[in-house]
Amino acid sequence: QKEVEQDPGPLSVPEGAIVSLNCTYSNSAFQYFMWYRQYSRKGPELLMYTYSSGNKEDGRFTAQVDKSSKYISLFIRDSQPSDSATYLCAMIVFIGRALTFGSGTRLQVQP
Amino acid sequence: DVKVTQSSRYLVKRTGEKVFLECVQDMDHENMFWYRQDPGLGLRLIYFSYDVKMKEKGDIPEGYSVSREKKERFSLILESASTNQTSMYLCASRPRTGASRPLHFGNGTRLTVT
Repeated sequence: QKEVEQDPGPLSVPEGAIVSLNCTYSNSAFQYFMWYRQYSRKGPELLMYTYSSGNKEDGRFTAQVDKSSKYISLFIRDSQPSDSATYLCAMIVFIGRALTFGSGTRLQVQP
Repeated sequence: DVKVTQSSRYLVKRTGEKVFLECVQDMDHENMFWYRQDPGLGLRLIYFSYDVKMKEKGDIPEGYSVSREKKERFSLILESASTNQTSMYLCASRPRTGASRPLHFGNGTRLTVT
């Protein structure tokens, strides 16, 4: 069993839709949770970062962590064609060590 | 703005060749990482380095070695390339401290071993 599970998609939605991307994990020691966005032929870039359980909002993006269920989510409101990318969840036990990534979900937002 | 530069975007090598992938960062970061990215498997850590001449194995180090002689440069070496090492290789860096500091990635090297 992988430490971090993520549905690969692709997920296709119309412009303006609310998108929900999710990851589950098995290691209860993970403390820091991140979402990276990767455009085609580019390296991943950090989108959202949260520590422990709770919600964090940044513009159209909301990251949610439920440590009791070992489940994290990224919500995108009013999705745009420019949001079309692969979204990778990542997590870490403590800072300074290496991240563990999910396999990524490919999102396509249709105009 | 942090820049992580990988020397080649595309490489084609033959089975058995020794292959060097180079990565340079310009922000004086202590930590540097090499990942490979494969469809359905996501990013898997090969090696990382937390200081000059220091290295630690990641999840899939077999068939690879690394070199960190200078702080800004982290090299990945395939001692004898094999077809199952055909992949996208991503280098990343981050500072040692600062809980919210992001991992900065290069744009990747797509390696094909024939």
